[in-house]
Amino acid sequence: GAVVSQHPSRVICKSGTSVKIECRSLDFQATTMFWYRQFPKKSLMLMATSNEGSKATYEQGVEKDKFLINHASLTLSTLTVTSAHPEDSSFYICSAQAPSGRDLGTDTQYFGPGTRLTVL
Amino acid sequence: GQNIDQPTEMTATEGAIVQINCTYQTSGFNGLFWYQQHAGEAPTFLSYNVLDGLEEKGRFSSFLSRSKGYSYLLLKELQMKDSASYLCAVREGAAGNKLTFGGGTRVLVKP
Repeated sequence: GAVVSQHPSRVICKSGTSVKIECRSLDFQATTMFWYRQFPKKSLMLMATSNEGSKATYEQGVEKDKFLINHASLTLSTLTVTSAHPEDSSFYICSAQAPSGRDLGTDTQYFGPGTRLTVL
Repeated sequence: GQNIDQPTEMTATEGAIVQINCTYQTSGFNGLFWYQQHAGEAPTFLSYNVLDGLEEKGRFSSFLSRSKGYSYLLLKELQMKDSASYLCAVREGAAGNKLTFGGGTRVLVKP
């Protein structure tokens, strides 16, 4: 249980184009999902918190107009990298928060497999 | 804000025990998580501590001391597949349940 999928797993795009990444909780409903970015050999950096039916909360320094987040349902959140540039190349990982009472009842975050974005 | 520190790298021998320490400074502490991450993959949940003491799950154990702002992850009977990064993450109750991650500890298990 508590499976999170992400699509696509890899994407290569040209500079200036937009890329959409989907994050789905497959066997539970997640009112809250999180988007992280990870550089090689570095830890996860939280970009934004996505709440179903409301606007995302962005971390300081993250451009909300560049990284558009939509959480349209309890099982799906999307991250769109707009007008991508080579410096946006990174490993993007989403997580979904399992509701209380499930597993350890700890609101544990379960992570998707990640999306490797390469912008040429 | 939070400050989470853990060693960058550790090396151990197959079959041995390794302890990964994590210290943190935070307000509104609401739990500490350990995740395992293999290169190029997403983190997988290992353990959770919110009260002081030791939590044991098979070969992995995690300890928490809230008064000291300290946790450790203990890996016993190391196997080659345990070579990975281990991430310590702290949750602040006042911050919407978001996690702040430490830099991760890369563990290399040698034969």
